[in-house]
Amino acid sequence: DVKVTQSSRYLVKRTGEKVFLECVQDMDHENMFWYRQDPGLGLRLIYFSYDVKMKEKGDIPEGYSVSREKKERFSLILESASTNQTSMYLCASSNRGPEAFFGQGTRLTVV
Amino acid sequence: ELKVEQNPLFLSMQEGKNYTIYCNYSTTSDRLYWYRQDPGKSLESLFVLLSNGAVKQEGRLMASLDTKARLSTLHITAAVHDLSATYFCAVDKIQGAQKLVFGQGTRLTINP
Repeated sequence: DVKVTQSSRYLVKRTGEKVFLECVQDMDHENMFWYRQDPGLGLRLIYFSYDVKMKEKGDIPEGYSVSREKKERFSLILESASTNQTSMYLCASSNRGPEAFFGQGTRLTVV
Repeated sequence: ELKVEQNPLFLSMQEGKNYTIYCNYSTTSDRLYWYRQDPGKSLESLFVLLSNGAVKQEGRLMASLDTKARLSTLHITAAVHDLSATYFCAVDKIQGAQKLVFGQGTRLTINP
């Protein structure tokens, strides 16, 4: 079974903090994605990566950056957390096939 | 800009009934995904529809795709409580790129 693991289920951070969300996949997938999920809005793509050290902006990249130093790990970085970044964050990975596999999600609260 | 809209957003129904969730999208795509999400859990892939006219069935769920109408449906037959969840459809922003644009989600509650 494909496993996509996010490092934290719940996080509480203060406004202005630098926040790291980590995601690891164990199936040697090339593609990795970060989404945020908000009620009534579905999931929105923040950033994605097709290969190590490659990244591309998704639909809502403002306030975020990413890092992919190793194929299995994709990190989402909130440079200076703000309250409007309180959300559920979901990581996903996929290979050449059409299906993406999602992690369990990290619920981030910024106070 | 690709937009994906689901209808309805909330659905409460009784066990044994049939119902359909609709997913409309605004630009050409021949690849559509359906996911299920249980409360506090991640997304589980249900169906991947890869061509016009595609129909897939799993248990009491059946999904279809009409690319000309830019419409997919998820039909629930003889609903049971275990199907209570939020259902999302998603479309590839760029074909094959898996940069998914999601609908808002349909929260389905099935009452005994």
